[in-house]
Amino acid sequence: AQSVTQPDIHITVSEGASLELRCNYSYGATPYLFWYVQSPGQGLQLLLKYFSGDTLVQGIKGFEAEFKRSQSSFNLRKPSVHWSDAAEYFCAVGPMEYGNKLVFGAGTILRVKS
Amino acid sequence: ETGVTQSPTHLIKTRGQQVTLRCSSQSGHNTVSWYQQALGQGPQFIFQYYREEENGRGNFPPRFSGLQFPNYSSELNVNALELDDSALYLCASSPGTSGSHKNIQYFGAGTRLSVL
Repeated sequence: AQSVTQPDIHITVSEGASLELRCNYSYGATPYLFWYVQSPGQGLQLLLKYFSGDTLVQGIKGFEAEFKRSQSSFNLRKPSVHWSDAAEYFCAVGPMEYGNKLVFGAGTILRVKS
Repeated sequence: ETGVTQSPTHLIKTRGQQVTLRCSSQSGHNTVSWYQQALGQGPQFIFQYYREEENGRGNFPPRFSGLQFPNYSSELNVNALELDDSALYLCASSPGTSGSHKNIQYFGAGTRLSVL
């Protein structure tokens, strides 16, 4: 069965520090991979996506993610966190074939301390 | 370009009632997916509609049903509401169902349903 694991429920970082959020997936084939961000009371905003090609992908707001096939991972990184990055982050996988149901992880809540 | 819009924003119902949630897809998008996000969890796929036909369903009972209209807007209907149906219901639209960029789903802000 398809699944996504985000091992960290909460992460706290200082403003200006670097950030890495972990994501591991279980899937029968190479899926499409996504990171979404959700601010309190809001819907999901797409940060970045991986379909194929270069395994390091750039997204909005200075985020990047690296796809590692051997580790079934798609970790999200940011070199310098801003207080406005405090939110919940979701990793998701979707099929490359017909139909695009997304399977989400449980999310990681990011707190930024000043 | 208008994004995905959902109505209402919040809704309070009692157990056993029925509810209808609405979603207008982003301009040019013919595919709508619905997700349920319980408190503290990630969104879970309910079903997807593509050109007015159901195109996949998650592990939800038949009392969760939907419609898609010719303009690609969509409704989610839930009958016989249970306390566990309390959640944020998210609608997402996409340009299609296959091919890389058609797989990008754009989400609305959601409808918060509380069942008492």
